[in-house]
Amino acid sequence: DVKVTQSSRYLVKRTGEKVFLECVQDMDHENMFWYRQDPGLGLRLIYFSYDVKMKEKGDIPEGYSVSREKKERFSLILESASTNQTSMYLCASSPRVTANTEAFFGQGTRLTVV
Amino acid sequence: GNSVTQMEGPVTLSEEAFLTINCTYTATGYPSLFWYVQYPGEGLQLLLKATKADDKGSNKGFEATYRKETTSFHLEKGSVQVSDSAVYFCALGTASKLTFGTGTRLQVTL
Repeated sequence: DVKVTQSSRYLVKRTGEKVFLECVQDMDHENMFWYRQDPGLGLRLIYFSYDVKMKEKGDIPEGYSVSREKKERFSLILESASTNQTSMYLCASSPRVTANTEAFFGQGTRLTVV
Repeated sequence: GNSVTQMEGPVTLSEEAFLTINCTYTATGYPSLFWYVQYPGEGLQLLLKATKADDKGSNKGFEATYRKETTSFHLEKGSVQVSDSAVYFCALGTASKLTFGTGTRLQVTL
C-alpha cells in the first residue's frame, strides 16, 4: 500500500518561530510537492521537487523554503512563522511526471500560528 | 497560465439523488484532467482521471468526460449515498504539476 506520511497532524506554533513540516514517502517517487489548503482557495502549490537537492517555486513560495536531502523526504520550512500561515498543509508525491501521473497525498498537517 | 474553475458549494442532496459538479479549465497544450476526493480528516485521493479529449473516467459510480470543445470535465453520479459526503477537487495535470480548483463540498442526507 502506497504511503505518504506527514510527521504531525496538528501543530501550534508562536509567531516568529522557525517551523519544520516533514514528509516521507515510501514509493521511490521522484517528485514531491507541498500545498496549502484554505477554504475557498483550494490547494495552492508552495514548492515542488523533482529530484534530490532540486526544488522549484510554486505559486506561493513567499515565506517558505524547502529541503530535499534524500529522495524519500521533503521538508517544508517556515523561516519565521506568521499568523497568515495558519493553514492545512498537504504533502504529495508522484513518479517522474507525465501529464497523466497520479499524485499521492499525505493526511495533512493543520498548523495554527498564534 | 493554467486554471480550474469549479462550482461553488456546498451542494446538499438527499440520498439517491443525481449529482453534477461542474468543472471548467483553461490550459495550454494537452493536459490530463482529474477528480480528487477528500473525506473528512483525510488527505486527497484520486477518484478518476481522463488523459485525452472524449475520454471518460469512471470509478465508484462516478464518471466524467473530457470535453475539449467546452473545456469541461463535469463530475456526475446517478445515485449518491451518505458515504459520498466529502470535498471534491477538479484538477488538471501538465508535464510539471497539478493545478487544482477550489473544491466543492458535497453533503448527502438521508
